[in-house]
Amino acid sequence: RKEVEQDPGPFNVPEGATVAFNCTYSNSASQSFFWYRQDCRKEPKLLMSVYSSGNEDGRFTAQLNRASQYISLLIRDSKLSDSATYLCVVNRPSGGGADGLTFGKGTHLIIQP
Amino acid sequence: GAVVSQHPSRVICKSGTSVKIECRSLDFQATTMFWYRQFPKQSLMLMATSNEGSKATYEQGVEKDKFLINHASLTLSTLTVTSAHPEDSSFYICSARERQLVYGYTFGSGTRLTVV
Repeated sequence: RKEVEQDPGPFNVPEGATVAFNCTYSNSASQSFFWYRQDCRKEPKLLMSVYSSGNEDGRFTAQLNRASQYISLLIRDSKLSDSATYLCVVNRPSGGGADGLTFGKGTHLIIQP
Repeated sequence: GAVVSQHPSRVICKSGTSVKIECRSLDFQATTMFWYRQFPKQSLMLMATSNEGSKATYEQGVEKDKFLINHASLTLSTLTVTSAHPEDSSFYICSARERQLVYGYTFGSGTRLTVV
C-alpha cells in the first residue's frame, strides 16, 4: 500500500459545483494532516490543515477519519481559480527528530466555465 | 508570514557539472530543512532532512555523495547536485520549519534543473 494514495483524476467540474477528494494513508502513527494546492510548475501551498473534528475554511471543508486512515476535502461553489492539483499530505513521524512530510501524487481538478 | 527564498528558479547545465541550489529563510530560523524532488506527474519525494549544524539524513536510494547538503546556519541550506546527469533533471524544492512549528512547513519556490 502506498504511503499516501489519491485518485489522480482529472476531475472536470462545472463552475459552481461541489467536488470532493479523498485520500488514504498507511502510517497509523501519523498525527498531522494537510491539504496543499499545487499549480503547474509551482511550489505547493498550504490550503488547510485537517483536524480530527473536521474543519472548514470558507468554501473548503476537510474531514479526517483516523480509524479508516482516510482524509477528505470538499470544495463548494467551485471557482475557475480552484483549478489546480490538490495534494494530500501526512506527516511522517521521525521518532524524535523533526517530522518530514509525505505527499500524495495529487488530484488534478479542472473547473470549467 | 514566513518566507523561504530559493535560488536559482531554473538552471540548465551540462552533464558532468555540479549545480548548487540555495534556500534561505528570510524571517525565521530554519532549524530543519527538508529537500524534495518531483519528477513530472509524480509526487514530491523527500530526499533528505537536515538539521542546522548536523549532517543530513538521506532517504533510502538517495546518494549522499551525489546530493551534498549543507545547513551551516539557521537561515541557509544548500543542495549541490554533483556530476549531474540527465536523469537528475527534476524539480527540486526545499521546505523549512522552525523548532516551534509556528509557521508550519514553508516551501521555497523550487528549482527546475535540466541536465543536457
